[in-house]
Amino acid sequence: KAGVTQTPRYLIKTRGQQVTLSCSPISGHRSVSWYQQTPGQGLQFLFEYFSETQRNKGNFPGRFSGRQFSNSRSEMNVSTLELGDSALYLCASSLVLANYNEQFFGPGTRLTVL
Amino acid sequence: KNEVEQSPQNLTAQEGEFITINCSYSVGISALHWLQQHPGGGIVSLFMLSSGKKKHGRLIATINIQEKHSSLHITASHPRDSAVYICAGSNSNYQLIWGAGTKLIIKP
Repeated sequence: KAGVTQTPRYLIKTRGQQVTLSCSPISGHRSVSWYQQTPGQGLQFLFEYFSETQRNKGNFPGRFSGRQFSNSRSEMNVSTLELGDSALYLCASSLVLANYNEQFFGPGTRLTVL
Repeated sequence: KNEVEQSPQNLTAQEGEFITINCSYSVGISALHWLQQHPGGGIVSLFMLSSGKKKHGRLIATINIQEKHSSLHITASHPRDSAVYICAGSNSNYQLIWGAGTKLIIKP
């Protein structure tokens, strides 16, 4: 079985631009969670999607949004990029809701905002 | 408020030593996840447990529900065990509450 894939792996943007990151979960997994990790910080939860519905949301501004498609693939969008958005963005998939299931993480997308 | 606290924040040990990383959690957390993040960024789920003890190779995870405490042990530690170890608690709102992580360095 293929693992969780994320595209692109690296991205450089400038302030004010917007960006869309993609995550393809393991086949059969219905939950996708997104996390932000900045240098020196732990994982910060962004949101979780399950069956195309946002089930949980972290404490991030509205510039961060996401969606999930019928094939469980998920996208995350960040609008009006700020320097502080530079981070490693990780997605994780699980069979059902993440809290009671093992999560499988993708390799991450490293976003640099200049 | 659901909270998960890890200790120590940083840990350096010699190869072969027995390692213990601790995780304390508040009321409302019903299961604990342990994960490992290597320097390259990749994260691997190690254990999920809600009671007792689990073992995988040289890794052992225990949880004490009454004391709201979980530990991750590494026996016969090796430099390749160097990583950040993260615990996360599941609460009744279907959320994962993340600890800050423990950075482990094993010196040869």
